[in-house]
Amino acid sequence: QITLKESGPTLVKPTQTLTLTCTFSGFSLSTSGVGVGWIRQPPGKALEWLALIYWDDDKRYSPSLKSRLTITKDTSKNQVVLTMTNMDPVDTATYYCAHGIAAAGMGFDPWGQGTLVTVSS
Amino acid sequence: SYVLTQPPSVSVAPGQTARITCGGNNIGSKSVHWYQQKPGQAPVLVVYDDSDRPSGIPERFSGSNSGNTATLTISRVEAGDEADYYCQVWDSSSDHPGVFGGGTKLTVL
Repeated sequence: QITLKESGPTLVKPTQTLTLTCTFSGFSLSTSGVGVGWIRQPPGKALEWLALIYWDDDKRYSPSLKSRLTITKDTSKNQVVLTMTNMDPVDTATYYCAHGIAAAGMGFDPWGQGTLVTVSS
Repeated sequence: SYVLTQPPSVSVAPGQTARITCGGNNIGSKSVHWYQQKPGQAPVLVVYDDSDRPSGIPERFSGSNSGNTATLTISRVEAGDEADYYCQVWDSSSDHPGVFGGGTKLTVL
């Protein structure tokens, strides 16, 4: 059974850096064809893909946020970390991590429960 | 970047068939995935690679993809199907590989 869980601060101030950790079980991020993605959802709005890291450490970012995002993995700890710099109130959202399978066209299944991050002074 | 267009809302009576579309330029050449999201919950994959279902997803959920439109079809709609539905594509050759549609609210009348 694959599970993922996001952790990190629930409140950050504008201009601060957000660090979120995705801790997963039931798969290895060293297995060929596997990826872990980050997706966010502002309150009442649509899903937005942010970043993905592949099993071979290839990394992909949303172009509109690329300058602010960094994704890394620690295979031994079964964790993926996303950092987002220069946080702004518009970045208030629920942040999800999800397991992706390249062989399935990089659909995401399953997702973590999500963590709500509020950006406010 | 690539844009996926979904209708904001679709309404259907119980027992009828709901069709939710996802439009994109030549989307038929891409793999399309569909997610169901109920209030306060994380999205759940219901169809992947245009028309495949993950284990545990009822056969009432099906998908198709051709030309500029992908479609999620829900047969014999039940009250429990009321949710937001999102389409998604992944293009590894693009500088913006991950794209979600704007979502469709399915209302069961």
